[in-house]
Amino acid sequence: QQQVKQSPQSLIVQKGGIPIINCAYENTAFDYFPWYQQFPGKGPALLIAIRPDVSEKKEGRFTISFNKSAKQFSLHIMDSQPGDSATYFCAATSSNSGYALNFGKGTSLLVTP
Amino acid sequence: DGGITQSPKYLFRKEGQNVTLSCEQNLNHDAMYWYRQDPGQGLRLIYYSQIVNDFQKGDIAEGYSVSREKKESFPLTVTSAQKNPTAFYLCASRGYGASDYNEQFFGPGTRLTVL
Repeated sequence: QQQVKQSPQSLIVQKGGIPIINCAYENTAFDYFPWYQQFPGKGPALLIAIRPDVSEKKEGRFTISFNKSAKQFSLHIMDSQPGDSATYFCAATSSNSGYALNFGKGTSLLVTP
Repeated sequence: DGGITQSPKYLFRKEGQNVTLSCEQNLNHDAMYWYRQDPGQGLRLIYYSQIVNDFQKGDIAEGYSVSREKKESFPLTVTSAQKNPTAFYLCASRGYGASDYNEQFFGPGTRLTVL
């Protein structure tokens, strides 16, 4: 079964807007939560990642918010640009599974000019 | 130029044939992974290997096989037992990244189509 649930499936925002993508998990053994960006026909690339001992991490225009008690985490993209249009995947993993990634189903983001 | 290479980029298979997808990395990473991507399904784990001569099944290993004879190579064979192999296949390796040692680096993928 899907160990990481991601929403929404698709998202359209105007340039400068702040898209928010949400993920939830059940396995409390997960201790590493990365976000990946994928363009059509390409492999995913790591955007930003967080561990459960912090509640927020910011890198450039990308911010992860993490709520350990709710078992939820989210990605915010500040000042979004048309070049951010891509599919975004959240994932979760732990050492128990050799750090193999459990992915959400992805969110297709379109940023309009 | 360090990274992960996958070949071929496109592969066509007739029903009943076995095909092998290549994955090579020069990042000196111990751990390597194979994922399958279908539209709307995200990426699902097929096999992974944490060290040479050792590998473990992932969630959808049926109809696939792997080997890990060299640190830099982790080929995936799609056998005739895999009933629906048409998909985008992604190989990854794990090691020290810019911010976290758990970073997985992905190759460019192989798109397999069954004719």
